[in-house]
Amino acid sequence: AQKVTQAQTEISVVEKEDVTLDCVYETRDTTYYLFWYKQPPSGELVFLIRRNSFDEQNEISGRYSWNFQKSTSSFNFTITASQVVDSAVYFCALSVSSGSARQLTFGSGTQLTVLP
Amino acid sequence: DTEVTQTPKHLVMGMTNKKSLKCEQHMGHRAMYWYKQKAKKPPELMFVYSYEKLSINESVPSRFSPECPNSSLLNLHLHALQPEDSALYLCASSPENRILTDTQYFGPGTRLTVL
Repeated sequence: AQKVTQAQTEISVVEKEDVTLDCVYETRDTTYYLFWYKQPPSGELVFLIRRNSFDEQNEISGRYSWNFQKSTSSFNFTITASQVVDSAVYFCALSVSSGSARQLTFGSGTQLTVLP
Repeated sequence: DTEVTQTPKHLVMGMTNKKSLKCEQHMGHRAMYWYKQKAKKPPELMFVYSYEKLSINESVPSRFSPECPNSSLLNLHLHALQPEDSALYLCASSPENRILTDTQYFGPGTRLTVL
């Protein structure tokens, strides 16, 4: 069975603090892809990153960084020096096979609020 | 350009109305998706089209009827909806629906209210 768990329902931080969003996944597939999406109050899901199961290198993009650890089935997301504009719901997702097609299994999301 | 557009942005309809949601992308993607999202929940997949053919229908009630007239356009026809169908409807597209090419890009959604 495929499953994504985001245990943190809501996180609140003060601007300029660092914050880490946790994501734990379960899959029997040996080849799989993990994603992070951001959903601001406007509603659109914004693609942030894709990582495949064979690449455990951490990635940094500006204030964003991702830590993928296959040994613990985790794909955590850190925002450094958070800003008010980072306030959004963040979803971790796993790309899985469904018969001959593919689909995303989403975690339940983490609501991040950055206070000024 | 990773833009997926959806119209209308907001829709209010009665339970006896017939309406349609429209989704368009010009990225040359060959897979398109409809999702339903209730408040404080993750998106739930409804339909997947791959090369204009329906490849996944997640047991969606027949009052929702998808249509993919061409590779750039995806419609969702609505008829006899219930108040519990009120939600944000998201459209997405990806280059293909195969591993390595299935990164999905989402539109801004249509907020549907059924009275």
